[in-house]
Amino acid sequence: GENVGLHLPTLSVQEGDNSIINCAYSNSASDYFIWYKQESGKGPQFIIDIRSNMDKRQGQRVTVLLNKTVKHLSLQIAATQPGDSAVYFCAENINTGFQKLVFGTGTRLLVSP
Amino acid sequence: GAVVSQHPSRVICKSGTSVKIECRSLDFQATTMFWYRQFPKQSLMLMATSNEGSKATYEQGVEKDKFLINHASLTLSTLTVTSAHPEDSSFYICSARQNGQLNTEAFFGQGTRLTVV
Repeated sequence: GENVGLHLPTLSVQEGDNSIINCAYSNSASDYFIWYKQESGKGPQFIIDIRSNMDKRQGQRVTVLLNKTVKHLSLQIAATQPGDSAVYFCAENINTGFQKLVFGTGTRLLVSP
Repeated sequence: GAVVSQHPSRVICKSGTSVKIECRSLDFQATTMFWYRQFPKQSLMLMATSNEGSKATYEQGVEKDKFLINHASLTLSTLTVTSAHPEDSSFYICSARQNGQLNTEAFFGQGTRLTVV
């Protein structure tokens, strides 16, 4: 399966900084993307999503950018807070007749006060 | 948002026994549920897509006879780890999409920590 054996990269920032987390996807059949946040010992929590006919979407303190040309997603978190510390995953919805949601490698975000 | 409940949250079993994990959508109906496995410090690996009333679709490399999935109703899917061994120890997570909702978020359960001793 995907992503077995890969360990999480870490992004360390100071409180108040803006954070940018990147994700590469590989399947051209992916038509929808989601960013999830996962805290230790818990299931993933939805942050923001974007459809493939868009290149940018904004939420509260978060922005997702999609570049289909290079198959790249990013999550921008403004004014990062200690409570944002978690692991962040992008997930792609692969549509090949039936849909499945596949997760990227993930990035651990550490926010220092 | 919609709620997905997973039970149990933690289970310890002896090697060779079987363990059943339940995934319920509490306030919506889900034709499709997904089962994932997550090892420490790694991403979620999709194991199978569970379809109500039909056989699950397994990802390459996932043993169908070892990880039995049943999706008997629109609100319940179960994963049974048969003849569990220590290498099956992992965090298992289910998720569900609302009926008819394509290209929408999947809601996740809280996960089940399985330890095989």
